[in-house]
Amino acid sequence: TQLLEQSPQFLSIQEGENLTVYCNSSSVFSSLQWYRQEPGEGPVLLVTVVTGGEVKKLKRLTFQFGDARKDSSLHITAAQTGDTGLYLCAGVGTGNQFYFGTGTSLTVIP
Amino acid sequence: NAGVTQTPKFQVLKTGQSMTLQCAQDMNHEYMSWYRQDPGMGLRLIHYSVGAGITDQGEVPNGYNVSRSTTEDFPLRLLSAAPSQTSVYFCASSYSMMDSGGYTFGSGTRLTVV
Repeated sequence: TQLLEQSPQFLSIQEGENLTVYCNSSSVFSSLQWYRQEPGEGPVLLVTVVTGGEVKKLKRLTFQFGDARKDSSLHITAAQTGDTGLYLCAGVGTGNQFYFGTGTSLTVIP
Repeated sequence: NAGVTQTPKFQVLKTGQSMTLQCAQDMNHEYMSWYRQDPGMGLRLIHYSVGAGITDQGEVPNGYNVSRSTTEDFPLRLLSAAPSQTSVYFCASSYSMMDSGGYTFGSGTRLTVV
């Protein structure tokens, strides 16, 4: 059972463009995490959001947790080639297990 | 360097063979878990452990066994490999299941079953 659906699944943009990826669920999550994974490596944590409506910024990355804590978004401003990777959302859901989303594969073209 | 160490990095098995994927961490994390990653499916939880001597099933446990005799080690055993188990396997650890500091992942084991 996949509780976290991410969109889009694939995204290819030019360097300097802005983009937003989404993480949606029908379940309420107590908190959500975002990870970035590069080829041949394991995911690396970017941020944890805890409070409904919370917004966190990490340089050019802005993370938002939905008011109802069922969705989250990641916005990247002025994308760079170093942002290329697989972006994963994750959280504790039904059955007190930690679930990962389906992932968004981002390619930033120079 | 502190972190999660997975071995081997690549493995090819014949159908029906068994093997053990090794995972070790040196951060004194209580929580350890195994995931498999398949295209379009994200990371799916196989088994997890909240401490030495305690293990539980995740979303896709069939065909896999685990044990946790020490805090540091959490091996994953494939009992009788099947082509459907071809995947990339990741071990992860953290202080707790929902640690705000996130999970630390190993670099993965790419397994092919022929």
